[in-house]
Amino acid sequence: EAGVAQSPRYKIIEKRQSVAFWCNPISGHATLYWYQQILGQGPKLLIQFQNNGVVDDSQLPKDRFSAERLKGVDSTLKIQPAKLEDSAVYLCASSSWAGRGEAFFGQGTRLTVV
Amino acid sequence: SQQGEEDPQALSIQEGENATMNCSYKTSINNLQWYRQNSGRGLVHLILIRSNEREKHSGRLRVTLDTSKKSSSLLITASRAADTASYFCATDQTGANNLFFGTGTRLTVIP
Repeated sequence: EAGVAQSPRYKIIEKRQSVAFWCNPISGHATLYWYQQILGQGPKLLIQFQNNGVVDDSQLPKDRFSAERLKGVDSTLKIQPAKLEDSAVYLCASSSWAGRGEAFFGQGTRLTVV
Repeated sequence: SQQGEEDPQALSIQEGENATMNCSYKTSINNLQWYRQNSGRGLVHLILIRSNEREKHSGRLRVTLDTSKKSSSLLITASRAADTASYFCATDQTGANNLFFGTGTRLTVIP
């Protein structure tokens, strides 16, 4: 079974630039999560999709972050414009059943904003 | 904000010893999960314990859950150098259908 795929693995951008991350969840998984993990901290939930609908985006900085999940499969997370404090690893995860079972994580995208 | 808090923040033990880490949380939950993260890698699910369970085992892992104290513990027995990683608890909050992670415990097992 293929795992959660994320790209790119690494990205370096200047502040005020924009960046996009892509995630392909495990086939058939209805729930998709995006987390932000700052060095030395636990993952912070940014947004959760159930199929192509948003379940929770309460911690998503909506003035600069946006996310979509077209057709309930792949998802993209965008930051525009980026700030220095956005430097972090962005993790995508999927599960077959919202919150009820194991979440499978991708390798993450390490973003550095300079 | 983070849902859970792990304790201790860091733990260093000798190979063969047992490692215990604790997690406290704030709201009612459906289940609590433990994950491991090796440096620079994604998180890997270890074990899930439901709110109506008190203890669960999986290989060298033993998890307990006390819903009255809103706390859980993860015990790794006979630790190995390969167990060196960060360990996180994650809670599935009642009525919220999401998964919130704690602050993590950094475990170092010295060969």
